[in-house]
Amino acid sequence: GDSVTQMEGPVTLSEEAFLTINCTYTATGYPSLFWYVQYPGEGLQLLLKATKADDKGSNKGFEATYRKETTSFHLEKGSVQVSDSAVYFCALRGPNDYKLSFGAGTTVTVRA
Amino acid sequence: EAQVTQNPRYLITVTGKKLTVTCSQNMNHEYMSWYRQDPGLGLRQIYYSMNVEVTDKGDVPEGYKVSRKEKRNFPLILESPSPNQTSLYFCASSFAGATNEKLFFGSGTQLSVL
Repeated sequence: GDSVTQMEGPVTLSEEAFLTINCTYTATGYPSLFWYVQYPGEGLQLLLKATKADDKGSNKGFEATYRKETTSFHLEKGSVQVSDSAVYFCALRGPNDYKLSFGAGTTVTVRA
Repeated sequence: EAQVTQNPRYLITVTGKKLTVTCSQNMNHEYMSWYRQDPGLGLRQIYYSMNVEVTDKGDVPEGYKVSRKEKRNFPLILESPSPNQTSLYFCASSFAGATNEKLFFGSGTQLSVL
Protein backbone atom coordinates (compact mmCIF):
# COMPACT_ATOMS: atom_id res chain seq x y z
CA GLY A 1 0.00 0.00 0.00
CA ASP A 2 0.89 3.65 -0.12
CA SER A 3 3.42 4.79 2.47
CA VAL A 4 5.68 7.63 3.46
CA THR A 5 9.11 7.49 5.08
CA GLN A 6 10.55 10.61 6.59
CA MET A 7 13.76 11.51 8.30
CA GLU A 8 13.86 10.65 11.96
CA GLY A 9 14.38 13.35 14.49
CA PRO A 10 14.67 15.10 16.67
CA VAL A 11 16.43 17.90 14.86
CA THR A 12 17.88 20.82 16.81
CA LEU A 13 19.06 23.93 15.01
CA SER A 14 20.17 27.44 15.76
CA GLU A 15 18.18 30.39 14.50
CA GLU A 16 18.91 31.30 10.86
CA ALA A 17 20.23 27.81 10.10
CA PHE A 18 19.15 25.85 7.00
CA LEU A 19 16.60 23.12 7.55
CA THR A 20 16.03 20.03 5.43
CA ILE A 21 13.68 17.18 6.31
CA ASN A 22 13.81 14.25 3.93
CA CYS A 23 10.66 12.49 2.80
CA THR A 24 10.29 9.63 0.33
CA TYR A 25 7.14 7.84 -0.69
CA THR A 26 5.84 4.62 -2.16
CA ALA A 27 2.62 4.81 -4.12
CA THR A 28 0.93 3.59 -7.24
CA GLY A 29 -0.02 6.22 -9.75
CA TYR A 30 0.41 9.90 -9.04
CA PRO A 31 -0.38 10.80 -5.43
CA SER A 32 -0.78 14.27 -3.99
CA LEU A 33 1.95 15.12 -1.46
CA PHE A 34 1.66 17.28 1.63
CA TRP A 35 3.61 18.67 4.52
CA TYR A 36 1.63 19.25 7.69
CA VAL A 37 2.94 21.04 10.78
CA GLN A 38 1.91 20.54 14.38
CA TYR A 39 2.77 23.31 16.81
CA PRO A 40 2.92 22.42 20.52
CA GLY A 41 -0.51 21.62 21.93
CA GLU A 42 -2.31 22.08 18.62
CA GLY A 43 -3.76 20.01 15.84
CA LEU A 44 -2.10 19.58 12.46
CA GLN A 45 -2.36 22.24 9.83
CA LEU A 46 -1.40 22.17 6.19
CA LEU A 47 1.96 23.79 5.49
CA LEU A 48 2.20 23.16 1.74
CA LYS A 49 1.23 20.70 -0.95
CA ALA A 50 2.07 19.57 -4.48
CA THR A 51 -0.25 17.62 -6.71
CA LYS A 52 1.86 16.59 -9.69
CA ALA A 53 5.45 15.88 -10.66
CA ASP A 54 7.83 18.88 -10.59
CA ASP A 55 5.32 21.01 -8.71
CA LYS A 56 6.84 23.12 -5.95
CA GLY A 57 4.78 23.86 -2.87
CA SER A 58 5.76 26.84 -0.77
CA ASN A 59 4.50 28.66 2.31
CA LYS A 60 6.01 30.68 5.19
CA GLY A 61 9.50 30.36 3.66
CA PHE A 62 9.25 26.57 3.40
CA GLU A 63 9.51 24.80 0.06
CA ALA A 64 9.21 21.24 -1.22
CA THR A 65 9.40 19.91 -4.77
CA TYR A 66 7.55 16.81 -5.98
CA ARG A 67 10.25 14.61 -7.52
CA LYS A 68 8.76 11.59 -9.22
CA GLU A 69 12.09 10.22 -10.43
CA THR A 70 13.37 9.95 -6.85
CA THR A 71 9.91 9.57 -5.23
CA SER A 72 10.78 12.36 -2.84
CA PHE A 73 9.25 15.51 -1.36
CA HIS A 74 11.93 17.00 0.87
CA LEU A 75 11.06 20.03 2.99
CA GLU A 76 13.49 22.95 3.11
CA LYS A 77 13.75 26.34 4.71
CA GLY A 78 16.70 28.64 4.25
CA SER A 79 16.64 30.47 7.59
CA VAL A 80 14.64 29.03 10.47
CA GLN A 81 13.21 30.97 13.39
CA VAL A 82 12.37 29.92 16.93
CA SER A 83 8.70 30.02 15.93
CA ASP A 84 9.36 27.17 13.45
CA SER A 85 9.82 24.75 16.35
CA ALA A 86 7.19 22.08 15.73
CA VAL A 87 6.59 18.54 14.53
CA TYR A 88 6.55 18.20 10.74
CA PHE A 89 4.69 15.41 8.95
CA CYS A 90 5.06 14.34 5.37
CA ALA A 91 1.87 12.80 3.96
CA LEU A 92 0.35 11.53 0.75
CA ARG A 93 -3.08 10.93 -0.69
CA GLY A 94 -3.37 8.45 -3.53
CA PRO A 95 -5.05 9.45 -6.79
CA ASN A 96 -8.11 7.34 -6.03
CA ASP A 97 -8.06 7.39 -2.26
CA TYR A 98 -9.09 10.01 0.26
CA LYS A 99 -7.04 8.48 3.03
CA LEU A 100 -4.05 10.57 4.09
CA SER A 101 -1.01 8.39 4.90
CA PHE A 102 1.49 10.03 7.24
CA GLY A 103 5.15 9.65 7.99
CA ALA A 104 6.26 9.25 11.60
CA GLY A 105 6.89 12.97 12.06
CA THR A 106 10.08 14.93 12.67
CA THR A 107 10.43 17.10 15.74
CA VAL A 108 12.32 20.32 15.03
CA THR A 109 13.61 22.58 17.78
CA VAL A 110 15.12 25.94 16.91
CA ARG A 111 17.26 27.63 19.56
CA ALA A 112 17.72 31.39 19.78
CA GLU B 1 -14.83 30.60 11.65
CA ALA B 2 -14.18 27.34 9.82
CA GLN B 3 -13.20 24.71 12.31
CA VAL B 4 -13.24 21.14 13.50
CA THR B 5 -14.24 20.88 17.14
CA GLN B 6 -13.38 17.90 19.30
CA ASN B 7 -14.46 17.26 22.87
CA PRO B 8 -13.18 16.64 25.40
CA ARG B 9 -9.63 17.91 25.12
CA TYR B 10 -8.40 15.63 27.89
CA LEU B 11 -9.95 12.46 29.23
CA ILE B 12 -8.84 10.00 31.88
CA THR B 13 -10.88 6.85 32.27
CA VAL B 14 -10.63 3.27 33.48
CA THR B 15 -10.53 0.04 31.56
CA GLY B 16 -13.93 -1.08 30.30
CA LYS B 17 -15.85 2.15 30.84
CA LYS B 18 -17.53 3.16 27.58
CA LEU B 19 -16.70 6.61 26.28
CA THR B 20 -17.44 8.84 23.31
CA VAL B 21 -15.25 11.53 21.81
CA THR B 22 -17.28 14.00 19.79
CA CYS B 23 -16.23 15.68 16.55
CA SER B 24 -18.11 18.38 14.70
CA GLN B 25 -17.22 20.45 11.62
CA ASN B 26 -18.93 23.56 10.27
CA MET B 27 -17.58 23.50 6.70
CA ASN B 28 -20.12 21.14 5.12
CA HIS B 29 -17.36 18.61 4.44
CA GLU B 30 -18.33 15.20 3.12
CA TYR B 31 -15.19 13.40 4.26
CA MET B 32 -14.37 12.92 7.94
CA SER B 33 -11.76 10.76 9.59
CA TRP B 34 -10.30 9.76 12.95
CA TYR B 35 -6.59 9.33 13.58
CA ARG B 36 -4.54 8.34 16.58
CA GLN B 37 -1.07 9.70 17.14
CA ASP B 38 1.55 7.67 18.96
CA PRO B 39 5.27 8.45 19.38
CA GLY B 40 7.37 7.11 16.54
CA LEU B 41 4.32 5.92 14.60
CA GLY B 42 2.97 9.17 13.25
CA LEU B 43 -0.77 9.32 12.67
CA ARG B 44 -2.70 6.19 11.88
CA GLN B 45 -6.22 6.20 10.53
CA ILE B 46 -8.88 4.53 12.65
CA TYR B 47 -12.10 5.05 10.66
CA TYR B 48 -13.31 7.36 7.97
CA SER B 49 -16.57 8.44 6.41
CA MET B 50 -17.24 9.61 2.88
CA ASN B 51 -20.70 10.96 3.71
CA VAL B 52 -23.76 10.47 5.90
CA GLU B 53 -24.32 6.79 6.76
CA VAL B 54 -21.12 5.79 4.89
CA THR B 55 -18.25 4.68 7.11
CA ASP B 56 -15.29 2.37 6.62
CA LYS B 57 -12.31 0.99 8.51
CA GLY B 58 -8.90 2.56 8.41
CA ASP B 59 -5.64 0.92 9.41
CA VAL B 60 -6.30 0.41 13.13
CA PRO B 61 -10.08 0.03 13.68
CA GLU B 62 -10.04 -2.66 16.39
CA GLY B 63 -11.72 -1.53 19.59
CA TYR B 64 -13.41 1.51 18.03
CA LYS B 65 -16.77 2.34 16.54
CA VAL B 66 -18.03 5.37 14.67
CA SER B 67 -21.31 6.68 13.32
CA ARG B 68 -22.26 9.35 10.79
CA LYS B 69 -25.91 10.17 11.25
CA GLU B 70 -25.46 13.84 10.37
CA LYS B 71 -23.01 15.42 7.98
CA ARG B 72 -21.39 17.65 10.58
CA ASN B 73 -20.82 15.06 13.33
CA PHE B 74 -18.57 12.02 13.49
CA PRO B 75 -18.26 10.64 17.03
CA LEU B 76 -15.65 8.07 18.01
CA ILE B 77 -16.88 5.42 20.43
CA LEU B 78 -14.78 3.15 22.61
CA GLU B 79 -17.14 0.48 23.92
CA SER B 80 -14.63 -1.09 26.31
CA PRO B 81 -11.44 0.97 26.45
CA SER B 82 -8.14 -0.72 27.21
CA PRO B 83 -4.77 0.77 28.20
CA ASN B 84 -3.36 0.26 24.69
CA GLN B 85 -5.89 2.83 23.50
CA THR B 86 -4.13 5.52 25.50
CA SER B 87 -3.21 7.97 22.77
CA LEU B 88 -3.73 11.39 21.24
CA TYR B 89 -6.73 11.37 18.92
CA PHE B 90 -7.47 13.73 16.06
CA CYS B 91 -10.58 14.22 14.00
CA ALA B 92 -10.18 15.65 10.50
CA SER B 93 -12.42 16.65 7.63
CA SER B 94 -12.28 17.77 4.02
CA PHE B 95 -14.33 18.10 0.89
CA ALA B 96 -14.52 14.90 -1.11
CA GLY B 97 -14.33 16.48 -4.54
CA ALA B 98 -10.68 15.68 -5.20
CA THR B 99 -7.94 13.76 -3.44
CA ASN B 100 -5.69 16.80 -3.32
CA GLU B 101 -7.96 18.55 -0.87
CA LYS B 102 -6.33 19.50 2.39
CA LEU B 103 -7.56 18.10 5.68
CA PHE B 104 -8.70 20.33 8.51
CA PHE B 105 -7.82 18.95 11.94
CA GLY B 106 -9.31 19.36 15.37
CA SER B 107 -7.13 20.29 18.35
CA GLY B 108 -6.91 16.74 19.60
CA THR B 109 -8.14 14.63 22.51
CA GLN B 110 -5.56 13.20 24.89
CA LEU B 111 -7.01 9.95 26.24
CA SER B 112 -5.54 7.99 29.12
CA VAL B 113 -7.00 4.58 29.97
CA LEU B 114 -5.93 3.28 33.38
